Amino acid sequence: AQSVTQLDSQVPVFEEAPVELRCNYSSSVSVYLFWYVQYPNQGLQLLLKYLSGSTLVKGINGFEAEFNKSQTSFHLRKPSVHISDTAEYFCAVIGGSGTYKYIFGTGTRLKVLA
Amino acid sequence: GAGVSQSPSNKVTEKGKDVELRCDPISGHTALYWYRQSLGQGLEFLIYFQGNSAPDKSGLPSDRFSAERTGGSVSTLTIQRTQQEDSAVYLCASSQDYSQPQHFGDGTRLSIL
Repeated sequence: AQSVTQLDSQVPVFEEAPVELRCNYSSSVSVYLFWYVQYPNQGLQLLLKYLSGSTLVKGINGFEAEFNKSQTSFHLRKPSVHISDTAEYFCAVIGGSGTYKYIFGTGTRLKVLA
Repeated sequence: GAGVSQSPSNKVTEKGKDVELRCDPISGHTALYWYRQSLGQGLEFLIYFQGNSAPDKSGLPSDRFSAERTGGSVSTLTIQRTQQEDSAVYLCASSQDYSQPQHFGDGTRLSIL
């Protein structure tokens, strides 16, 4: 069965510092990968996606993620964070024969400190 | 354009009562998903509808939970004989198809007293 692991439940980081939010998945077949963000008191919105092609994908608000098939990872990065990036970030995977079920990680709460 | 709409936004009910949660997906989106979001638990998949195909109900936690999608559009999630552990935010999402990003509604916050 597929699974998604976000090892860090909370990540505190100072403003303008770089950040990496880790995501690992388990799947023996091709997958599609997504990062979603949930700002305080708001719904989830798509940050970026990997469907195929270039393994480095760029999303909104200066975020990017790199798909690494050999390490089954899809880590999210931003070179310089802002206070407004404080939110919960969810990694999700879909794929595999016969299933269209999105599997979400448990989320990483990013807290940007002044 | 209009996004995914969920109603009610909040629902408080007594244990043992039945509740119905409604989702209006984005027009033209053939895929519709229901999730449950509990504090610190991430998103738990409940059920998936794709066009006229049989829904994937593998995430429904018990037979008290059911969902339908009428005319390939509006969906209703029904919870019978609610229990306190059913308290959570129930999210609906739709997409053009399963490989495309999902658009989420704001959710229904369900509180069971």
